[in-house]
Amino acid sequence: AQTVTQSQPEMSVQEAETVTLSCTYDTSESDYYLFWYKQPPSRQMILVIRQEAYKQQNATENRFSVNFQKAAKSFSLKISDSQLGDAAMYFCAYRRQGGSEKLVFGKGTKLTVNP
Amino acid sequence: EPEVTQTPSHQVTQMGQEVILRCVPISNHLYFYWYRQILGQKVEFLVSFYNNEISEKSEIFDDQFSVERPDGSNFTLKIRSTKLEDSAMYFCASSETVAGVDEQYFGPGTRLTVT
Repeated sequence: AQTVTQSQPEMSVQEAETVTLSCTYDTSESDYYLFWYKQPPSRQMILVIRQEAYKQQNATENRFSVNFQKAAKSFSLKISDSQLGDAAMYFCAYRRQGGSEKLVFGKGTKLTVNP
Repeated sequence: EPEVTQTPSHQVTQMGQEVILRCVPISNHLYFYWYRQILGQKVEFLVSFYNNEISEKSEIFDDQFSVERPDGSNFTLKIRSTKLEDSAMYFCASSETVAGVDEQYFGPGTRLTVT
């Protein structure tokens, strides 16, 4: 069974600084998808960024980028120029390609942004 | 922007009672999901639903659980006889397809408290 591990229950960053959230996963599949979801307080989870495992190039969405290391099964999220609105729970998630629609989540990392 | 909505936001029920959690997915989406998160634990997949039938379910989704799409807009999760361990946040999600890295859109959740 696939598992996703987020080893940092909490992180904090100063406004305008850069922070990296860690995620590792375990799978025997070669084709899969990885996601980072953000959940602000009392709000729904929204997708931040996604990565297809077959793509070597790291995904980027504005201030958000990932460092995808397939051999190491690592998928970290980098937030540049952190803003107060980035404060949220961040969940890393895995979905296998084909045959299953379910997302497998990590436990989440609570990010605090200090002014 | 279209959103997934869920009602109620908080439900308190006594052990052994039936509860129905309601979700309105995004209107052109075809795939629907329920996940749950017990306090302090991971978000866990319960069930996926497509074309009026369950397409995948987890081992958590036993005979006490059922899902239904009673009309063209609602998607419900019923727990027949609630247990204390059913206390959790329940998230509904929907997606347009399951192709590639298609995004699952999440609702804000229903907090279920079983006393």
